Amino acid sequence: DSGVTQTPKHLITATGQRVTLRCSPRSGDLSVYWYQQSLDQGLQFLIHYYNGEERAKGNILERFSAQQFPDLHSELNLSSLELGDSALYFCASSAYPSGGPKETQYFGPGTRLLVL
Amino acid sequence: QQQVKQSPQSLIVQKGGISIINCAYENTAFDYFPWYQQFPGKGPALLIAIRPDVSEKKEGRFTISFNKSAKQFSLHIMDSQPGDSATYFCAASSIRGSTLGRLYFGRGTQLTVWP
Repeated sequence: DSGVTQTPKHLITATGQRVTLRCSPRSGDLSVYWYQQSLDQGLQFLIHYYNGEERAKGNILERFSAQQFPDLHSELNLSSLELGDSALYFCASSAYPSGGPKETQYFGPGTRLLVL
Repeated sequence: QQQVKQSPQSLIVQKGGISIINCAYENTAFDYFPWYQQFPGKGPALLIAIRPDVSEKKEGRFTISFNKSAKQFSLHIMDSQPGDSATYFCAASSIRGSTLGRLYFGRGTQLTVWP
């Protein structure tokens, strides 16, 4: 168990809909990263938040947005869903230097999204 | 453009054998190279990681070999066991100040260890 929690575990929805994925980082971790995993694209970085501020953006579609709240949990919002958005979505967290090994990203169990 | 290239795509090894997975990168700004193990239905789990100031790191049966001049690194799994059957990902990142940046992942290697 990495200590990172994600909900829901599975999500089935229809095209055009909007969903919210939730991530709670390990206790004390200030950084949250979101990744998408699909068979054709592999593990792709979406976005990184550090202590509530956006730090970096990757291959994140404009239909997708994220935020990190004051309690450090993060949400990834996916809207106008398309069939191709079906994938596993992972969040990961990493520690602030004083909180332990800073060089590690710990991954949650993921949310499996199926768009029908 | 794939920042980290990983090979082979799949690997079949007999129990007790050595599994070797290779990765190459281009960006010399990378200074953190982890390997992740992923079982079906689970999130990637950190296996072992290395910084570029050392050429080798060993943890139990797992060893990373790092060649900075060639911009290559590899994972060696000694005495491979059926329980090691999983997908392995190499990755690279940069540490700036107190923050670890995004991970660039290889495409993964599916390892099967025959009993």
